[in-house]
Formats: sequence, structure tokens, C-alpha cells
Amino acid sequence: GAVVSQHPSWVICKSGTSVKIECRSLDFQATTMFWYRQFPKQSLMLMATSNEGSKATYEQGVEKDKFLINHASLTLSTLTVTSAHPEDSSFYICSSEGGKETQYFGPGTRLLVL
Amino acid sequence: DQQVKQNSPSLSVQEGRISILNCDYTNSMFDYFLWYKKYPAEGPTFLISISSIKDKNEDGRFTVFLNKSAKHLSLHIVPSQPGDSAVYFCAASEIRGSTLGRLYFGRGTQLTVWP
Repeated sequence: GAVVSQHPSWVICKSGTSVKIECRSLDFQATTMFWYRQFPKQSLMLMATSNEGSKATYEQGVEKDKFLINHASLTLSTLTVTSAHPEDSSFYICSSEGGKETQYFGPGTRLLVL
Repeated sequence: DQQVKQNSPSLSVQEGRISILNCDYTNSMFDYFLWYKKYPAEGPTFLISISSIKDKNEDGRFTVFLNKSAKHLSLHIVPSQPGDSAVYFCAASEIRGSTLGRLYFGRGTQLTVWP
């Protein structure tokens, strides 16, 4: 399957700072990438769909001004959590489309906001 | 509103026996279903999938069964191995043209296979 990487894998930051998470497709070009968030013992919840060269599509309840998504190239999408607060602490996972078969997921980024 | 439900948060099975993980969905528009395996602090790994035109798909030790009328699917692992211990997520989607639409995930089932 395709390889998707995320960086960083762990982030610990103070409340009020902004955090940028990168998602890269390493061996293919992804027009569409997806950003998920997972709280402990919960399912993966789709936050937004990132489209190369256009604005991201956000799910209901997700603040687009707080979770900034940029998909500037076919291999890179970034998620910036602006002015992070403790309630933003979560596991953030990106994925890329994989045709009709599946989506390929990155390893995830654990964010802890103190 | 949970459109995909995994009602068993955990399952414990002895090595060599069959593991059966269950999943229910509510949206009749879903026509493609996937199972992912996830270890702690890692992203999900695709395991097996099935489209709504089939009722069974098999890949080695893994078989997925789909009952459309009941809106129910299950993943069978036989024989179970300790390395299968992980969280298993069921996901559903609609196929749109040449790609999948957004995935809807269940909450996962923690499978523990003991020797």
C-alpha cells in the first residue's frame, strides 16, 4: 500500500501556542487528503477534507479558523492548530485517498496542550 | 450521530480459536465497508474490505461477511494469533466515481488473543 508520513509524531506545547502538523504522501500524488481526530476510546472523527489547490471542506462543528488546513502540493497537506488549548489535546491522523479500495493513513500525531 | 457502530468494546480469544468482530450501520447508502487494524499511537492499517454487491470476502485468515438486509458485517479471524491483538475499526463509505467518499468509523473493538 501507499506510504503516508506525519510530522511530528509527538507535540507538547503551552496553551495559546500554534502547532503545525505535516502530512506527506511519500510514493504517490494525493489530490485529496483527510484529517481525523481521535479522542481516547472514541472513533476516528473526520475533521476536514483537504483538496490540493483549493479550500478545505470542514465537517460540521469543526472551526475552520482554528484548524487551518493547507494543501499546497500533491504530496503535502498541513494542519495548523491555532491558539491551542488543553481541550485540543488529541491524536490527529491524516489519510490520503487510495482510489476505490481504501484510504492510507499516516502514523498519527499526538498533541498535548498544557 | 454514530452511523457505524461496534457495540463490543473488547473481545478476548484464545490463540488458535476464531475471533468474530461485529459491526452495524444505519445508513443504507453505504456501499463499501472496510476493516482497519490499529496499534496504540499508530495510524490505522487497512485489513480487508467488501463492497455491497458481495456477501463475503476472504483474504488468508481474514474473512468479512456482509448482511445488507440486517445492515450488519462481521470480521472473522481464524486461527487467531497473539499478533492479532489490536484495536479493530469498522468503516463504511459510499463509492463516488473512482474514489471512496468520506469514511465513517465505529468506535473500535480491542481484540486480545492470549496464548
